[in-house]
Amino acid sequence: GQQLNQSPQSMFIQEGEDVSMNCTSSSIFNTWLWYKQEPGEGPVLLIALYKAGELTSNGRLTAQFGITRKDSFLNISASIPSDVGIYFCAGQREYGNKLVFGAGTILRVKS
Amino acid sequence: EAGVAQSPRYKIIEKRQSVAFWCNPISGHATLYWYQQILGQGPKLLIQFQNNGVVDDSQLPKDRFSAERLKGVDSTLKIQPAKLEDSAVYLCASSFRAFQETQYFGPGTRLLVL
Repeated sequence: GQQLNQSPQSMFIQEGEDVSMNCTSSSIFNTWLWYKQEPGEGPVLLIALYKAGELTSNGRLTAQFGITRKDSFLNISASIPSDVGIYFCAGQREYGNKLVFGAGTILRVKS
Repeated sequence: EAGVAQSPRYKIIEKRQSVAFWCNPISGHATLYWYQQILGQGPKLLIQFQNNGVVDDSQLPKDRFSAERLKGVDSTLKIQPAKLEDSAVYLCASSFRAFQETQYFGPGTRLLVL
């Protein structure tokens, strides 16, 4: 079963609002990744994090690798309609291990 | 650069029938992955190939699922016989190196088993 807990499960926000979502685990991960999946498509990598405490941005997206190495956060600033989709976190325990995915956060944006 | 190609995009079959999915990875990518994504869940790795060898198939239900990558490029995933719980999206992904976290996903094949 899933080993990563993502929250919230879904969000319905107003265009222009900021969005925060997170991913937690009972185990330590050495790599955290955030993906976005749009309807009818496969997931697309947004941000990859490799060090505890690391903060990385990609345009309006910012992700952080938690210092305990058991969590990660994704923020989207000034949301726009094209941000709609499902956001997945994924973790890799050690180099060479398979990726473990969370169940996803569904984001809907009202314009 | 062309992305990961998958076919068919959709498939509807009855339980106990067999089905096959095809994947063509990004040119030059040595590693190929098949994932199963059940509605409302994240992708789950079924099998990982490095060139034409299997690296990890620990989560592949081997009594009914099989996969091959004979020439180290294209891959086929087969289900025989299908069960209702196999209804899912089957995603193929590829990466340049083995064990690489930067994986590029195809659009997936949506399977419905009736």
